[in-house]
Amino acid sequence: GENVEQHPSTLSVQEGDSAVIKCTYSDSASNYFPWYKQELGKGPQLIIDIRSNVGEKKDQRIAVTLNKTAKHFSLHITETQPEDSAVYFCAASIDTGFQKLVFGTGTRLLVSP
Amino acid sequence: EPEVTQTPSHQVTQMGQEVILRCVPISNHLYFYWYRQILGQKVEFLVSFYNNEISEKSEIFDDQFSVERPDGSNFTLKIRSTKLEDSAMYFCASSGTGLSGTQYFGPGTRLLVL
Repeated sequence: GENVEQHPSTLSVQEGDSAVIKCTYSDSASNYFPWYKQELGKGPQLIIDIRSNVGEKKDQRIAVTLNKTAKHFSLHITETQPEDSAVYFCAASIDTGFQKLVFGTGTRLLVSP
Repeated sequence: EPEVTQTPSHQVTQMGQEVILRCVPISNHLYFYWYRQILGQKVEFLVSFYNNEISEKSEIFDDQFSVERPDGSNFTLKIRSTKLEDSAMYFCASSGTGLSGTQYFGPGTRLLVL
């Protein structure tokens, strides 16, 4: 089955810096890669996703890149703000109608003012 | 903005007791999911549900677990005889369509089995 690895497990940056979180996946059939942000005591919230027919997607300060050949995808956050502090999860799935999301182990991002 | 809701937010139960976790998915969504997250670990898929039947389940989802959509709005997860290792945060999610359907997660139910 699919296995998703995520690095780093923790990331501390200064406000205004960029943050990059990387994930690799094992199943070449996976074609949908969402990123979720989880704040303390809350459920995961989708922040951006990408499908295997595109290599990059951007939404304001957040971007995701996908390298299908290498089977890895990354989340980039620019101009980080303290409210970006949270746990970020990547996930992968085969989008055939039922998206069984396989999550990475999470990255705790801390943005210091 | 529509959202997935879950009740209760917290549940404490004794080992061996039955618990039912409830979810109200987004109203026009067709696909429903349960995930769990043991404290400090990653979110794990339990089961997906469509057209009143299970479409896929994980190894975790054994005979002690069942899901049901008893009416047009609720989606429930039942654990028949809880074990200590069932203590976790349980998340319900729903999506509008399978293909290209983003999964929206509820706030979760924290289950503690004593």
